[in-house]
Amino acid sequence: KNEVEQSPQNLTAQEGEFITINCSYSVGISALHWLQQHPGGGIVSLFMLSSGKKKHGRLIATINIQEKHSSLHITASHPRDSAVYICAALLFIQGAQKLVFGQGTRLTINP
Amino acid sequence: NAGVTQTPKFRVLKTGQSMTLLCAQDMNHEYMYWYRQDPGMGLRLIHYSVGEGTTAKGEVPDGYNVSRLKKQNFLLGLESAAPSQTSVYFCASSNLRRGLSLSSYEQYFGPGTRLTVT
Repeated sequence: KNEVEQSPQNLTAQEGEFITINCSYSVGISALHWLQQHPGGGIVSLFMLSSGKKKHGRLIATINIQEKHSSLHITASHPRDSAVYICAALLFIQGAQKLVFGQGTRLTINP
Repeated sequence: NAGVTQTPKFRVLKTGQSMTLLCAQDMNHEYMYWYRQDPGMGLRLIHYSVGEGTTAKGEVPDGYNVSRLKKQNFLLGLESAAPSQTSVYFCASSNLRRGLSLSSYEQYFGPGTRLTVT
């Protein structure tokens, strides 16, 4: 079983829909990192959070440390949001910071 | 700032050939990482470095070597390429600033290198 699990693996929605991507982890973490991988392959950081909620534009990330669960929400989705969304658990192991990645959620927003 | 750059962007190798992938960052980050990304498997850590002159093994280090002679550069070497090393390779960097904002630990990724071994 992967230490970081995402659901769903694939998601197709219509423009304007509210999107939720879930991330569950089985390890003790320092923080959770949400990343976006564009169709061209580039990976960009969206959020790093260890508690509560963060918002940036139409993107909202929440985390519940007790339940070991995080969600990424997209409001008023747009075709340009189509990408792979990756969550990763930030761990400190033997003094070094490491990320353990989920498999990603491929999101397609149709116009 | 260019951020994190990788060279080359694409490469095709024959089994047994060797090559070096170069990662460079201009953000003065302490940490650097090499990952590989394979379909359906997510990113996996190959090797990492916590500072100039130091390297350590990650999750899937076999068949790879690394060097960090300068703080801004992290090299990934394949001594004898195998078809199983066909993958997309990403380099990333981050800072070590305990006690400060969590955003300090965000990893910044390079554009990736697509390697095919035939």
